[in-house]
Amino acid sequence: GDSVTQMEGPVTLSEEAFLTINCTYTATGYPSLFWYVQYPGEGLQLLLKATKADDKGSNKGFEATYRKETTSFHLEKGSVQVSDSAVYFCALKTGGSYIPTFGRGTSLIVHP
Amino acid sequence: KAGVTQTPRYLIKTRGQQVTLSCSPISGHRSVSWYQQTPGQGLQFLFEYFSETQRNKGNFPGRFSGRQFSNSRSEMNVSTLELGDSALYLCASSLDPGGETQYFGPGTRLLVL
Repeated sequence: GDSVTQMEGPVTLSEEAFLTINCTYTATGYPSLFWYVQYPGEGLQLLLKATKADDKGSNKGFEATYRKETTSFHLEKGSVQVSDSAVYFCALKTGGSYIPTFGRGTSLIVHP
Repeated sequence: KAGVTQTPRYLIKTRGQQVTLSCSPISGHRSVSWYQQTPGQGLQFLFEYFSETQRNKGNFPGRFSGRQFSNSRSEMNVSTLELGDSALYLCASSLDPGGETQYFGPGTRLLVL
């Protein structure tokens, strides 16, 4: 079946540091890939997505590139802010399934 | 456009009781999905409703049920609550079943004592 593996957290960074959160996947079909963010006390918000190989999703300074050859969709940001502190979820959905598969989430803590 | 709303936001129940949670999707969205989020299991899919019909179901016992109304609002019910049902219950809406982009509500945090 489909699965998503994210790096364990928490990831702790200082403000303005570079962020990478690793995400790899296995899928039975050709998936669309997503990153969601969950701020404290809130539900998930779609951060970015990519639907085919080599696509780059981007939003709010975050980027992720769909790498089919390495089955990865790593999340990056050049300069994090305290307000980026949240839990980040990688997810996939294949065309044959209506049910998305989520990773376990990676907590990001950014210190001033 | 208003987002997905869930009520109540917080709930405390005791073992053996039942609970009903409500979700109002984004206007125009016809599909509603429910998820359970716990620290141990992460985010797990419960079920999806479209046009008042359950379209997909996750691997949860029959104590978990749901329904959808003609205005696309949805409710989920958990009967005979167990301590392990303590979780954040998230509702997500999309235009159609299997919609590529889901929009999540803030969740209902249920504590079972």
